[in-house]
Amino acid sequence: AQSVTQLGSHVSVSEGALVLLRCNYSSSVPPYLFWYVQYPNQGLQLLLKYTSAATLVKGINGFEAEFKKSETSFHLTKPSAHMSDAAEYFCAVNPKGFKTIFGAGTRLFVKA
Amino acid sequence: NAGVTQTPKFRVLKTGQSMTLLCAQDMNHEYMYWYRQDPGMGLRLIHYSVGEGTTAKGEVPDGYNVSRLKKQNFLLGLESAAPSQTSVYFCASRTPGQGGTGELFFGEGSRLTVL
Repeated sequence: AQSVTQLGSHVSVSEGALVLLRCNYSSSVPPYLFWYVQYPNQGLQLLLKYTSAATLVKGINGFEAEFKKSETSFHLTKPSAHMSDAAEYFCAVNPKGFKTIFGAGTRLFVKA
Repeated sequence: NAGVTQTPKFRVLKTGQSMTLLCAQDMNHEYMYWYRQDPGMGLRLIHYSVGEGTTAKGEVPDGYNVSRLKKQNFLLGLESAAPSQTSVYFCASRTPGQGGTGELFFGEGSRLTVL
C-alpha cells in the first residue's frame, strides 16, 4: 500500500532560520505528492504539489520541495522562517487514483 | 465564494445517539471525501465518492455511513455513536485533475465529542 512517513512530529526553529520538514513516500511508481498546511482551527490548504513536471516545486509563502526519486523523498524547505509559518504541515501522496493518503503531520514552532 | 462548507461545526453526543454531518461544495467537483483527524495520526479517509450516487469505503469506514444524492452534497452519518468516534471531521472535494493531480479543498472541520 502507498504511504508517506513524516520524520518528526514536532520541529522548532528560530525566526529567520531554515525550515526543513521531512517526508518519505513508499511507492512502486512515482506518485503525485503534496504538502498541505493547517493553521489552528482551520481546514487544510495546499502549499505545493509534485506532478512529475519538475523535481523542484515552488509553493506559496516561500516554501519549496524537491522530489528525489533515488531517496523516495519530498522534503519541504523555506530559507527563512517567519512567525506566521507556525502551523501543522502534512505530506500526502496520491498514487494516481482517487484517494489521497496523508502522513501523520509535523507541527512547526517558530521562536522569536 | 463559499468553497466547502460543513455543518455543524461542533456537536456533543451521548453514546448510542445518531447524527449526520453535512458537507456542501459549490465548485462542481466530482470527487468528495470524509476524513477524520486525530492527534498523531494525520488524516484518515473514512469514505469517499467519485460522483453523484456513488460511494466507497476508505481506511476507517466502520461505524459510519455516507450518501451522495446530489453532486454538491456529501453526508456522513453515525448510526450509533461511540466514544472512539470523538474526533475532528473534515470534508474535502477535489479538482478534476487528470490521474490524481488535483488538489483537495477542505472545509473548516466539524468537532464531534461523544460522551
